[in-house]
Amino acid sequence: SYVLTQPPSVSVAPGKTARITCGGNNIGSKSVHWYQQKPGQAPVLVIYYDSDRPSGIPERFSGSNSGNTATLTISRVEAGDEADYYCQVWDSSSDRVVFGGGTKLTVL
Amino acid sequence: QVQLQESGPGLVKPSETLSLTCAVSGYSISSGYYWGWIRQPPGKGLEWIGSIYHSGSTYYNPSLKSRVTISVDTSKNQFSLKLSSVTAADTAVYYCAKNSGSHEVDFDYWGQGTLVTVSS
Repeated sequence: SYVLTQPPSVSVAPGKTARITCGGNNIGSKSVHWYQQKPGQAPVLVIYYDSDRPSGIPERFSGSNSGNTATLTISRVEAGDEADYYCQVWDSSSDRVVFGGGTKLTVL
Repeated sequence: QVQLQESGPGLVKPSETLSLTCAVSGYSISSGYYWGWIRQPPGKGLEWIGSIYHSGSTYYNPSLKSRVTISVDTSKNQFSLKLSSVTAADTAVYYCAKNSGSHEVDFDYWGQGTLVTVSS
């Protein structure tokens, strides 16, 4: 079955850029979606179709996808960005939604 | 604005069936889109359970398929989850969510989630 691999944690200082990766076999051929989840809250969609932002999501959030790695980039990181981030794809070979294991973003 | 609200028992005994309902407001399920269930065990990541279309067409996680039934009631504008033969491993926060299009795409609206504990 298709597996998405994320680093368990990423740390970044305020005002710097955070990059969270999502690895998968030929993931560049799939559409990747990203969610932000703060403690005790439901996930919130922050990037869809690799690089599109829903309305209300700051331009600081961006995404890319190529080869075997998709990346969520958060520029000018703020304390309020501290959260868990999950990537998601559809695996057509097994007809199922797959989530990455999640990455905890810590703002130092 | 689409809103989703999960409801159901917060405690289920081992070997019994977990039943949850997701009430949708602000959008008619009959108008389209897929609607899904996702769960999250305490302190762990997200796991997709399955998704359903208003016509009743379903997609299930192969790892849960033998125990899962998702159904839709368009007259009540809600959809439901049944998970049979539960064990402690099924203890999780259960979310209902709306796909932004087909079953293959992102989930753009989520319910607040409901914690279901499996324990005797």
